[in-house]
Amino acid sequence: SQTIHQWPATLVQPVGSPLSLECTVEGTSNPNLYWYRQAAGRGLQLLFYSVGIGQISSEVPQNLSASRPQDRQFILSSKKLLLSDSGFYLCAWSKTGGTEAFFGQGTRLTVV
Amino acid sequence: SQQGEEDPQALSIQEGENATMNCSYKTSINNLQWYRQNSGRGLVHLILIRSNEREKHSGRLRVTLDTSKKSSSLLITASRAADTASYFCATDNGDTGRRALTFGSGTRLQVQP
Repeated sequence: SQTIHQWPATLVQPVGSPLSLECTVEGTSNPNLYWYRQAAGRGLQLLFYSVGIGQISSEVPQNLSASRPQDRQFILSSKKLLLSDSGFYLCAWSKTGGTEAFFGQGTRLTVV
Repeated sequence: SQQGEEDPQALSIQEGENATMNCSYKTSINNLQWYRQNSGRGLVHLILIRSNEREKHSGRLRVTLDTSKKSSSLLITASRAADTASYFCATDNGDTGRRALTFGSGTRLQVQP
């Protein structure tokens, strides 16, 4: 069966520090991968999605970047965090050509 | 406003009552999905309805889709306290062919025991 791992679950980082959130998927090949951000009490905003290794589409210009160094690994990064980067970050995957998305448990990031 | 807007934003009902949530969207779609999110957790897929379907059932869930009005509704019958969660609709984009889902802002459902 397929599983998705996202870590850490919570993170408190100072303004100006770097960020690296990692997401890995097991049990499937060539998944589509997604990073979403959710503000408190709001819906999900798509940040990045990837259809293959090294292929990243950015949805919203921002202080973040994403990379896919391996087929089932998706990394969200920032060189210097801003207060506005605080939020709940969710990684998700779907099958190639599929429609249903499977989500990780999320990372709550607080920038102080 | 966003593709996929749910209403109401919040809903409080008693156990045993039915809960109805609505969603509107802007683009053409291939399918519409509903997800559930427990507080502070990831989203879980509930049900998918294709653009050529008008109604779909899964257990206590009933979803309708009206593509002419670009709207959908999710009905949870005989609600339970465990149904307390936020519910989101999500759509792909039939205009651009993009499969990445766009989510609405959600309905927070509180079921009182």
